[in-house]
Amino acid sequence: AQKVTQAQTEISVVEKEDVTLDCVYETRDTTYYLFWYKQPPSGELVFLIRRNSFDEQNEISGRYSWNFQKSTSSFNFTITASQVVDSAVYFCALSWGGANSKLTFGKGITLSVRP
Amino acid sequence: EAQVTQNPRYLITVTGKKLTVTCSQNMNHEYMSWYRQDPGLGLRQIYYSMNVEVTDKGDVPEGYKVSRKEKRNFPLILESPSPNQTSLYFCASSSLPLASHEQYFGPGTRLTVT
Repeated sequence: AQKVTQAQTEISVVEKEDVTLDCVYETRDTTYYLFWYKQPPSGELVFLIRRNSFDEQNEISGRYSWNFQKSTSSFNFTITASQVVDSAVYFCALSWGGANSKLTFGKGITLSVRP
Repeated sequence: EAQVTQNPRYLITVTGKKLTVTCSQNMNHEYMSWYRQDPGLGLRQIYYSMNVEVTDKGDVPEGYKVSRKEKRNFPLILESPSPNQTSLYFCASSSLPLASHEQYFGPGTRLTVT
């Protein structure tokens, strides 16, 4: 069965701290994609990153970085020098089924960054 | 402006009264999907569509219907709403298979069924 586990439900940090959001997934597919989405307090869902199962390179985008490790079935997200504007719910998601387009989300991590 | 729109944004209704939540995208996307978001459960896929007249069930399709008669529209129909369908609903679209590409989400529809 396809599954995404975000074991951390709520994280609270002080501004400028680094924070890592964990994502562990389960799938039998050899080809799959992993995503992170952000949901700020305003409610919309914003795409952050996509990674396919054949590309294990880490990615950095400004203060954001992602660590994909197939050996541990993890796709963790790190925010460096967090800011208040990073406060949001963050979802990790796994797509499977090829053209059949199934997408499974984790339950989300609520990140609060205090000034 | 490229966007996914949903209407209504907020709806309070009573058990058993049929309702439709509309979803429209102006990006000529082939793939569209509906999700519900509930506290502690994240987002769960209800239905998705790969093209006009092509739809399939997601993880939680019970109690919902969809149709895709036009490429831009993908309405969600609740024939007989029940209180357990009280939720926040999101429509999303993608130019390529949902499995491999990011989705663009609508603003959400908050539904309360009493």
